[in-house]
Amino acid sequence: DTTVKQNPRYKLARVGKPVNLICSQTMNHDTMYWYQKKPNQAPKLLLFYYDKILNREADTFEKFQSSRPNNSFCSLYIGSAGLEYSAMYLCASSRVLGGLYAEQFFGPGTRLTVL
Amino acid sequence: GQQVQQSPASLVLQEGENAELQCSFSISTNQVQWFYQRPGGRLIGLSYIPGMKPTGKQTSSTVTKGRHSSLTISSSQTTDSGTYFCVAMDSNYQLIWGSGTKLIIKP
Repeated sequence: DTTVKQNPRYKLARVGKPVNLICSQTMNHDTMYWYQKKPNQAPKLLLFYYDKILNREADTFEKFQSSRPNNSFCSLYIGSAGLEYSAMYLCASSRVLGGLYAEQFFGPGTRLTVL
Repeated sequence: GQQVQQSPASLVLQEGENAELQCSFSISTNQVQWFYQRPGGRLIGLSYIPGMKPTGKQTSSTVTKGRHSSLTISSSQTTDSGTYFCVAMDSNYQLIWGSGTKLIIKP
């Protein structure tokens, strides 16, 4: 099974309210990623977990948080949503083999609309 | 900064024609992955270099001292329409995405 699942598929949030997105995978992958994708743009990496180590991109450091309670689950948390957060949020996972980049498998995404 | 350039930005072909998509990197790498996304669909990995064989009819290769990759879609069909992304990994394990090629296959 190479499925990455995301919940919810659609999320409507009010400005200033928190948002929590969930991702799961059953492939025993050690790395899980969160991307933000806006129309006609490439996915933008927000953060990733390698095992239990969280790595966040410098320009999104303060905007997004994440937790990984176990190998299979990873969440993306927005403390106070702004209009600019409206986007598709993609979760992906991969197995890092000896430091080499391995193929990423993507979930279907969560479409977040902030009003 | 480090860049991945994809060309063309968009491509319109007739069904049955071959599509060749190009990707150039400002870094030298042999770790490249191509993704495909249909409008409203999820990102799907098409090929992974090195090691993995491409899925289906797509072929992919890295040439020219690890600074270039191409994706060829042979005998294209309307269902191949979508956006194709190229992703390269640098020596610091950072992933660098191209801006995508929008492919339209007309019946």
